Amino acid sequence: DSGVTQTPKHLITATGQRVTLRCSPRSGDLSVYWYQQSLDQGLQFLIQYYNGEERAKGNILERFSAQQFPDLHSELNLSSLELGDSALYFCASSPAGATNEQFFGPGTRLTVL
Amino acid sequence: GQSLEQPSEVTAVEGAIVQINCTYQTSGFYGLSWYQQHDGGAPTFLSYNALDGLEETGRFSSFLSRSDSYGYLLLQELQMKDSASYFCAVRGGGYQKVTFGTGTKLQVIP
Repeated sequence: DSGVTQTPKHLITATGQRVTLRCSPRSGDLSVYWYQQSLDQGLQFLIQYYNGEERAKGNILERFSAQQFPDLHSELNLSSLELGDSALYFCASSPAGATNEQFFGPGTRLTVL
Repeated sequence: GQSLEQPSEVTAVEGAIVQINCTYQTSGFYGLSWYQQHDGGAPTFLSYNALDGLEETGRFSSFLSRSDSYGYLLLQELQMKDSASYFCAVRGGGYQKVTFGTGTKLQVIP
């Protein structure tokens, strides 16, 4: 158990809908990262937050947005969902100023029908 | 931008040694990490190299050559449970930016 929690574990929804994925980092970690992993694909970096502020952005679609709240939990919002958005979404956290080691949550499996 | 190359698949025999290579391109290199991911599971951190040389952690070792933009993960005394995907990840192009490779699927056979 990495100490990072993600909810929900599974999510099934329809095209055009909007969903919110939630992540709670390890106690004391200030950085949160979001990744998308499609079937048999690598980890695609989406976005990083550090202590509430956006720090780095990857290949995140405009239909996707995220935020980190004062209690450091983070939410990833996916809207106007398409079939191709079906994937595993991982959240990871790391201690302040150290991104050498990231601790990954168990992931949310999103299925868009 | 950042890019990484690693073999897509490797097969090795139980008890043997296997090396998984990773070459990268990045600006402002800070370090290279390795992660293991079993099917259906979350990636877990294995090792990190910021300086040239070999880092050893039990049966796993990781090597870095910054001048060659190259690193490898060495797994010794392979066990069936080592069958998994292994990702290298480069920290660069920004102090806190990490880019993952596409992963190497290791199959350990009896």
